[in-house]
Amino acid sequence: EVQLVESGGGLVQPGGSLRLSCAASGFKFSDHYMDWVRQAPGRGLEWVARSRNKASSYTTEYAASVKGRFTISRDDPKNSLYLQMNSLKTEDTAVYYCTRSSSSTRYFDYWGQGTLVTVSS
Amino acid sequence: DIQLTQSPSFLSASVGDRVTITCRASQGVSNYLAWYQQKPGKAPRLLIYAASSLQSGVPSRFSGSGSGTEFTLTISSLQPEDFATYYCQQVNLYPITFGQGTRLEIK
Repeated sequence: EVQLVESGGGLVQPGGSLRLSCAASGFKFSDHYMDWVRQAPGRGLEWVARSRNKASSYTTEYAASVKGRFTISRDDPKNSLYLQMNSLKTEDTAVYYCTRSSSSTRYFDYWGQGTLVTVSS
Repeated sequence: DIQLTQSPSFLSASVGDRVTITCRASQGVSNYLAWYQQKPGKAPRLLIYAASSLQSGVPSRFSGSGSGTEFTLTISSLQPEDFATYYCQQVNLYPITFGQGTRLEIK
């Protein structure tokens, strides 16, 4: 059974940092692109970042709203995905979801339960 | 960035109704479009990918169509568990973008 479990969310002050983790199981993690998607309270979905697999040289993509502040990374032997978030702003407050992209279609076929990040003074 | 505009934003319907949600892209995305369902407090669920392919495990009452800039999600006969918010998504170009959502409620 595919499982994605996020952790690391919490309350942080503006300008602060936080590192989210996503523990994956039930599939061959190294084969898949992985993404972070966020959802501000009462709002829609916003794609944040993508980590491609080893076959694609672990290249990354970012939304303009987080580029230069957030860094996506992965540790294939640990089946883990990370999101380092620096210089946090109040508008980064959201539930952050870890998602798996299907190896054949690249659509988000599995999602974690999400972890809440609140940026507030 | 490619903007995705869903219509309507809110839809009230009854069990057994046939409903259609439209997603219009600001530029062509070929068939690189997906539909997701989200219930309150839960993560989204992939329903349709590549505009018209049904994700494994999704009931056949859900169907998708379209190409280029106009797409539709159809639910042929609404069931009580289908009342949720639906989002379209394009993966043709970065940044990956989502529509603003369509909230489907019971009439």
